[in-house]
Amino acid sequence: KAGVTQTPRYLIKTRGQQVTLSCSPISGHRSVSWYQQTPGQGLQFLFEYFSETQRNKGNFPGRFSGRQFSNSRSEMNVSTLELGDSALYLCASSLDGGRIDAFFGQGTRLTVV
Amino acid sequence: GQQLNQSPQSMFIQEGEDVSMNCTSSSIFNTWLWYKQEPGEGPVLLIALYKAGELTSNGRLTAQFGITRKDSFLNISASIPSDVGIYFCAGQWGGTSYGKLTFGQGTILTVHP
Repeated sequence: KAGVTQTPRYLIKTRGQQVTLSCSPISGHRSVSWYQQTPGQGLQFLFEYFSETQRNKGNFPGRFSGRQFSNSRSEMNVSTLELGDSALYLCASSLDGGRIDAFFGQGTRLTVV
Repeated sequence: GQQLNQSPQSMFIQEGEDVSMNCTSSSIFNTWLWYKQEPGEGPVLLIALYKAGELTSNGRLTAQFGITRKDSFLNISASIPSDVGIYFCAGQWGGTSYGKLTFGQGTILTVHP
């Protein structure tokens, strides 16, 4: 069974640009959550999608958004990038997001210069 | 908001020694998870706990869900060099907390051969 796949693995963007990250969950998993990991703040929850609907959202500004497609694949978008957005962005998939066995992808390392 | 305090922050041990780390929360969690993360990779799920008092093993790893539902511990027996990494506890409240895990700050484990 294939694991969670995130693309791309690495990205370098300039301040003010926007970026889109992609996540393909484990086959059969319908819940996808996104996390930001930084040395200072650790792992922080961004949002969760299930059946193309955002069910839960963390405390991040509106520049961070996401969506989920009918095949459960998810994308997250960050607009007007700031230097502080440099982080490892992780996607986790689970069957339904309720009782969680959440499996993470390898992450996308975003560097904003 | 919910906070998880994970201790110790780091451990330096000799191969063959046992390791113990724990997490405490200011709030009740309905699910506790333990992850290991290695450099450049996403967290890997080690053990999931769903009931207060539950004790679960995965090879040399044993974790317990505290009776108060506000704490959990992870033990690693007879450590080996490949145990090196950062160990995270994570809790989920349940209810409408879909997909949202709250993470501890991590325990950095170094094993000297």
